[in-house]
Amino acid sequence: DAGVIQSPRHEVTEMGQEVTLRCKPISGHNSLFWYRQTMMRGLELLIYFNNNVPIDDSGMPEDRFSAKMPNASFSTLKIQPSEPRDSAVYFCASSLKVVSSDTQYFGPGTRLTVL
Amino acid sequence: KQEVTQIPAALSVPEGENLVLNCSFTDSAIYNLQWFRQDPGKGLTSLLLIQSSQREQTSGRLNASLDKSSGRSTLYIAASQPGDSATYLCAVRGNTPLVFGKGTRLSVIA
Repeated sequence: DAGVIQSPRHEVTEMGQEVTLRCKPISGHNSLFWYRQTMMRGLELLIYFNNNVPIDDSGMPEDRFSAKMPNASFSTLKIQPSEPRDSAVYFCASSLKVVSSDTQYFGPGTRLTVL
Repeated sequence: KQEVTQIPAALSVPEGENLVLNCSFTDSAIYNLQWFRQDPGKGLTSLLLIQSSQREQTSGRLNASLDKSSGRSTLYIAASQPGDSATYLCAVRGNTPLVFGKGTRLSVIA
């Protein structure tokens, strides 16, 4: 298995532009997680899905952020409009179950820079 | 709200030393605790997972312990090598998915 796949790996954009980050979870995994990592705040959970349904989006910082999972093999995280404070590394992870002993497998991340 | 703290934030040791990384958490009602490794510019790799009913887990030169009642876990690395240099993150799972500490950045000097 190729693991969790994220694209793009790097994204540089200007303030006000729309940004879309993509994730393909490991085949057969039914839970998907979006995280954001910054030096100041560490790794924070933004939203997670179980069986393609959003379960908890309380970590999404504001309405500019939205996430979708149209099918079991694809998810997007969209920021519209983007702001410089959104600059961070965004990770996607997948696991077999949400609350269980199963570990989460992380993608390589997308490094977002908003100028 | 669960909070996870890792001390120290950074650690530098000579090759061959045994070392201990510390993790503490505020809410002892957890399902499990995991230790991850993160290399620069990379994602996280799971090292060890300890269920709440377990006291420790071992994998090769790594040993993780869990004291749920006191809200503490340690990651012991034996005979450290330069290849162990990375950031080590502790994460706990309770009623919500993983809550992470900010990590300990480890440098093993040859």
